[in-house]
Amino acid sequence: EDQVTQSPEALRLQEGESSSLNCSYTVSGLRGLFWYRQDPGKGPEFLFTLYSAGEEKEKERLKATLTKKESFLHITAPKPEDSATYLCAVWGSGTYKYIFGTGTRLKVLA
Amino acid sequence: GAGVSQSPSNKVTEKGKDVELRCDPISGHTALYWYRQSLGQGLEFLIYFQGNSAPDKSGLPSDRFSAERTGGSVSTLTIQRTQQEDSAVYLCASRGGTGNTIYFGEGSWLTVV
Repeated sequence: EDQVTQSPEALRLQEGESSSLNCSYTVSGLRGLFWYRQDPGKGPEFLFTLYSAGEEKEKERLKATLTKKESFLHITAPKPEDSATYLCAVWGSGTYKYIFGTGTRLKVLA
Repeated sequence: GAGVSQSPSNKVTEKGKDVELRCDPISGHTALYWYRQSLGQGLEFLIYFQGNSAPDKSGLPSDRFSAERTGGSVSTLTIQRTQQEDSAVYLCASRGGTGNTIYFGEGSWLTVV
């Protein structure tokens, strides 16, 4: 069964303090690993899709990387506006469902 | 439309009443998903549509829940005889073309009192 585990559950950073969020997964035939950002009271906002081990994608202060067992979302010099819950999901072959982790709640302090 | 549109944004209903939640996917997107997110919980899959068909409805929690999609576009999630445990955010997402990414709406916040 496909599974996604995110860590840590919550993370507090000072502005400018870089860190990484982890997404460990097991999946049968990866069709994609996805990162979303979710602000309170809002729907998940798409960030990145990764398809194969070794792939990396960047957007502003965020960089997502992928191995065969986990993905990292690196946040470089974060700002308070990066505070949100970050969700990881996988889609495996042989299923229609996207499986989501429970997210990492990030708080960046000014 | 430019994005996935959901209505109502917020709904407060009395226990035992029926509710309908609507989703208008991104124009041209053939795949449509409903997920549920309870307070502090992860996203729970409810149902998947490809066109007007639902190949996977395995996540619907009980027979009080049903969904349909018409014209390959708008979808309606109906909850009959609502219970307090149905209180959650109901999220709709769509996917189109050859891409594998699903895009979400802002959700419908349901409170059953």
